[in-house]
Amino acid sequence: GAVVSQHPSWVICKSGTSVKIECRSLDFQATTMFWYRQFPKQSLMLMATSNEGSKATYEQGVEKDKFLINHASLTLSTLTVTSAHPEDSSFYICSASRATGISGNTIYFGEGSWLTVV
Amino acid sequence: GQNIDQPTEMTATEGAIVQINCTYQTSGFNGLFWYQQHAGEAPTFLSYNVLDGLEEKGRFSSFLSRSKGYSYLLLKELQMKDSASYLCALWGGGGNKLTFGTGTQLKVEL
Repeated sequence: GAVVSQHPSWVICKSGTSVKIECRSLDFQATTMFWYRQFPKQSLMLMATSNEGSKATYEQGVEKDKFLINHASLTLSTLTVTSAHPEDSSFYICSASRATGISGNTIYFGEGSWLTVV
Repeated sequence: GQNIDQPTEMTATEGAIVQINCTYQTSGFNGLFWYQQHAGEAPTFLSYNVLDGLEEKGRFSSFLSRSKGYSYLLLKELQMKDSASYLCALWGGGGNKLTFGTGTQLKVEL
């Protein structure tokens, strides 16, 4: 079963409104979560790294005031797209890192969220 | 930056073997992942290379050469269901984060 759950799977919102996407690790504590955006026929673009209890680290070119990331607990990170515009329509996907000893880290992905701004 | 480049598209025949390359420029990283992704779905883990050399896993093998800044994914006995996007990704390399390559869309034909 899924170890990282993302909600909602699909969301349609009006231009100018805000929408929140949740990412939960179901059976482990994720100190670090990642948010990606993916446009059709393109690869995953890392938007930000979300660390529990501290501010997210945003990648160059990603507007931190537009894409608000909160990682309030070890199992939940949220991405809020503020004042959404049609160009923000995309597939947003989160992932969580789980330490697995000497083999490094295992990365689990959420199911992804399709955002359509109309 | 970590310019991670892959061919955009590849086409191969069912039953054949295909090699998908990934080249990168980075100062250092912990390991390299390969993922398969079908449209609209989350990536599925295929392999993880830490050391140079070949990692074999059934029909899929992945190779890494750190000195050459190069990796490849080898798919054998291709099946129609292997038609998907294949993504390499570097773990680490300037913080604990997973950075994806440009992705390769593979089409398997009869």
